[in-house]
Amino acid sequence: GAGVSQSPRYKVAKRGQDVALRCDPISGHVSLFWYQQALGQGPEFLTYFQNEAQLDKSGLPSDRFFAERPEGSVSTLKIQRTQQEDSAVYLCASSGALANYNEQFFGPGTRLTVL
Amino acid sequence: AQSVTQLDSQVPVFEEAPVELRCNYSSSVSVYLFWYVQYPNQGLQLLLKYLSGSTLVKGINGFEAEFNKSQTSFHLRKPSVHISDTAEYFCAVDTNAGKSTFGDGTTLTVKP
Repeated sequence: GAGVSQSPRYKVAKRGQDVALRCDPISGHVSLFWYQQALGQGPEFLTYFQNEAQLDKSGLPSDRFFAERPEGSVSTLKIQRTQQEDSAVYLCASSGALANYNEQFFGPGTRLTVL
Repeated sequence: AQSVTQLDSQVPVFEEAPVELRCNYSSSVSVYLFWYVQYPNQGLQLLLKYLSGSTLVKGINGFEAEFNKSQTSFHLRKPSVHISDTAEYFCAVDTNAGKSTFGDGTTLTVKP
């Protein structure tokens, strides 16, 4: 595809529900990042994959958050037992190999609202 | 650890006027620096980046930024803004770990 796509674009969940957010990176991009952007703030790093390996998950706020990329392409961010403080826009980005630093390309985000 | 401070949360400016959006960072190691633009309901788009070499970096849409190591700054400038430049702008730093640390953003509003 032409760029990074994310689905759904909007998600409303009742507190306590589980949600799954999908990211389709640019074809061939080995690196994939998830960020959380709260209202009025900049994106904050959640986790990073290189191919199927999750190399850094230091930004995941709790054990309710889980990310996977089993085949090194599509990634899913799962949030269990959602809380109101999980309401945010979740951004996915992908890039080529890290050598010489490659630009991160961002998707449009999924806006999660927890009631 | 690294951090980014965008000194102005909102910058109103008239069309065709110059603009500067300020960004300061802190890091104990060498950094890569970025400016992104975010239009409503869209993802972030890279405006420009500093990796090494010349400290004056030119980007898309007529924007440029200057890396100042002694002042740990990376301010974004445009000599003449357009209505279409109205958006949220984010400064970000990275230490070659791949993950970026972002500032809280500056809302640029261009008025006719």
